[in-house]
Amino acid sequence: DTEVTQTPKHLVMGMTNKKSLKCEQHMGHRAMYWYKQKAKKPPELMFVYSYEKLSINESVPSRFSPECPNSSLLNLHLHALQPEDSALYLCASSQEGFPFETEAFFGQGTRLTVV
Amino acid sequence: ILNVEQSPQSLHVQEGDSTNFTCSFPSSNFYALHWYRWETAKSPEALFVMTLNGDEKKKGRISATLNTKEGYSYLYIKGSQPEDSATYLCAFISTGNQFYFGTGTSLTVIP
Repeated sequence: DTEVTQTPKHLVMGMTNKKSLKCEQHMGHRAMYWYKQKAKKPPELMFVYSYEKLSINESVPSRFSPECPNSSLLNLHLHALQPEDSALYLCASSQEGFPFETEAFFGQGTRLTVV
Repeated sequence: ILNVEQSPQSLHVQEGDSTNFTCSFPSSNFYALHWYRWETAKSPEALFVMTLNGDEKKKGRISATLNTKEGYSYLYIKGSQPEDSATYLCAFISTGNQFYFGTGTSLTVIP
C-alpha cells in the first residue's frame, strides 16, 4: 500500500464552523506533513510531524491545529477560518523520521472553501 | 522567504522531442533538492531526491543533475510522450529545515 489517503476530498465550511481534515498512511512512514496550496501558487509547508511529534510549525495561525494521534494518522483541525484560507490542503508522508530526508508521498488533497 | 525559481513557467513540445527545464535556488545552506511531477487531478509524485553536488539521477526517460555551488538543477525528459504532460516542481530544503517549492514548470506534450 503506497497510498496517502485524505478525507474529505471537498469541504465547504462557514467561518464559525469547526471541521477536521484527515490523512492516513499505512506505509510505516515516520514523518508526516501538511501543505497548503492557493491557486496558481506552489504548495507551502504548514506543519511537519516526526515520530508523532510536531517538529516544524511554519508560523501557521492558531485557527489551524494539527494533531497526530498515531503513526498512521494526521489530522488538521480547523476553527474560525477566513475566506482567504480557502485552498487545497495536501498531506504527505516520508519514510525517514528526519523531515525531507527521503521522497514524500502525497495524498490527493482536500479542496476547502470557506464561506 | 527564499527564492526558488523554475524556468520556463510553461512549455509546449511535440511528442518525441526532448526537453529540459531549470530550478534555481540559493547556493548557501543547501541540504537537499527534490523533484516532483504533478498531473492534473492527481497527487504530486516524487521523481528524485538529490543531496550531493554533481548528483545525476535517472528514472526511465527522465534525468536530473544538481549543481549546489551555483544553485541550480536541470530536469531532462528524453523523447517526450503525452503522458509526460504535468507540472514539474522542484523543492529546496535548507540545512535549517526550511522547505520551499519552486514556482513550477507546466509541460504540455502535443501528440
